[in-house]
Amino acid sequence: DTGVSQDPRHKITKRGQNVTFRCDPISEHNRLYWYRQTLGQGPEFLTYFQNEAQLEKSRLLSDRFSAERPKGSFSTLEIQRTEQGDSAMYLCASSATGGNTEAFFGQGTRLTVV
Amino acid sequence: AQSVTQLDSQVPVFEEAPVELRCNYSSSVSVYLFWYVQYPNQGLQLLLKYLSGSTLVESINGFEAEFNKSQTSFHLRKPSVHISDTAEYFCAVSEAGGADGLTFGKGTHLIIQP
Repeated sequence: DTGVSQDPRHKITKRGQNVTFRCDPISEHNRLYWYRQTLGQGPEFLTYFQNEAQLEKSRLLSDRFSAERPKGSFSTLEIQRTEQGDSAMYLCASSATGGNTEAFFGQGTRLTVV
Repeated sequence: AQSVTQLDSQVPVFEEAPVELRCNYSSSVSVYLFWYVQYPNQGLQLLLKYLSGSTLVESINGFEAEFNKSQTSFHLRKPSVHISDTAEYFCAVSEAGGADGLTFGKGTHLIIQP
């Protein structure tokens, strides 16, 4: 399978704990996006990388959130001191530069903060 | 900044009947438009997209959407739905030629009744 993969698929954590999610994009894609989707809502943009550079961050991305993409390959999203409001599906997508702007999505990581 | 409005959160339709899922957008710049579909327990998949050229775009499974600039709409239609079309459908917009993330609507749950 050469699509976007995310790990883990599900994560249950206690409030106040830190969590880290991983995204492996399609190998030739140099753009990588993180989104958050809560129940009954569409995905909301969090941040985006072009290669290893983080070029855009949403206001939704509080100081407790940090994302990295070392070497421009996989990316990690860390949430520190989780809160119940962080419970959501975290989606990763990747795309190539150029005229074709189709973004391919992973299946997401579902986070539940208890 | 862009925004997307999907007026219907749920659309129940009988099998083999036609369906239209409505999408309106707001943007101060030229846009690309997308419809994504999310089947139960699966990730988001691109259904069809409008980048430029013909305003009527089609998918391989019989859906079509028409970009109407004057009405700022990108409604999705299918002349005859199948039970397998049951899914959540998301309309999304991005700045034309830009690399920023997609702005999604809240989604429409298409329910096919036998």
